[in-house]
Amino acid sequence: NAGVTQTPKFRVLKTGQSMTLLCAQDMNHEYMYWYRQDPGMGLRLIHYSVGEGTTAKGEVPDGYNVSRLKKQNFLLGLESAAPSQTSVYFCASSYRQGSSYNSPLHFGNGTRLTVT
Amino acid sequence: DQQVKQNSPSLSVQEGRISILNCDYTNSMFDYFLWYKKYPAEGPTFLISISSIKDKNEDGRFTVFLNKSAKHLSLHIVPSQPGDSAVYFCAVKNSGGSNYKLTFGKGTLLTVNP
Repeated sequence: NAGVTQTPKFRVLKTGQSMTLLCAQDMNHEYMYWYRQDPGMGLRLIHYSVGEGTTAKGEVPDGYNVSRLKKQNFLLGLESAAPSQTSVYFCASSYRQGSSYNSPLHFGNGTRLTVT
Repeated sequence: DQQVKQNSPSLSVQEGRISILNCDYTNSMFDYFLWYKKYPAEGPTFLISISSIKDKNEDGRFTVFLNKSAKHLSLHIVPSQPGDSAVYFCAVKNSGGSNYKLTFGKGTLLTVNP
């Protein structure tokens, strides 16, 4: 099992360019998440999905769009990149969360994005 | 407004000694608490968790303590090993609310010196 795989690992964009980050998981997890990590800021939730065909906003969704057309894939899109989106992006997945059941998140190794 | 605070950005300990990492939270509705460990160029990995119905959970060299009245949790690593050198994130959740969401602290960089 590969777990959670993110592509690409690195990318440099110019302001205004667009790109899509791909996340794939092979654990049959229902929930998937996109986080960003900035120096001194911890991990912040951008968008998440509780199942195929569903998406929802997290803490910092502006400037990003997501899609979950297949259960194993969660795509993060930047339509018009800005320098403020320079960050390390982590995808994560988990089993369904419940009020009495908590499943830890499994993270990918991240995508380091620089917007100049 | 930080809901989860890890007030020590870094901590350095000698191999074999105890490492104590601390985390404070503000919302008494949080009822599930986790620690993640992160090496450079890798994603965070789950380490240990504790539910609010307990005050201690132990897994090998790692123990998490929860003090609900003080809204404080800590991670103890005994004995510390050089391979424990990493960034440690505290994360909290309200299982009864938007139970998808983990709120993370900013992390503490632990360095274990041989």
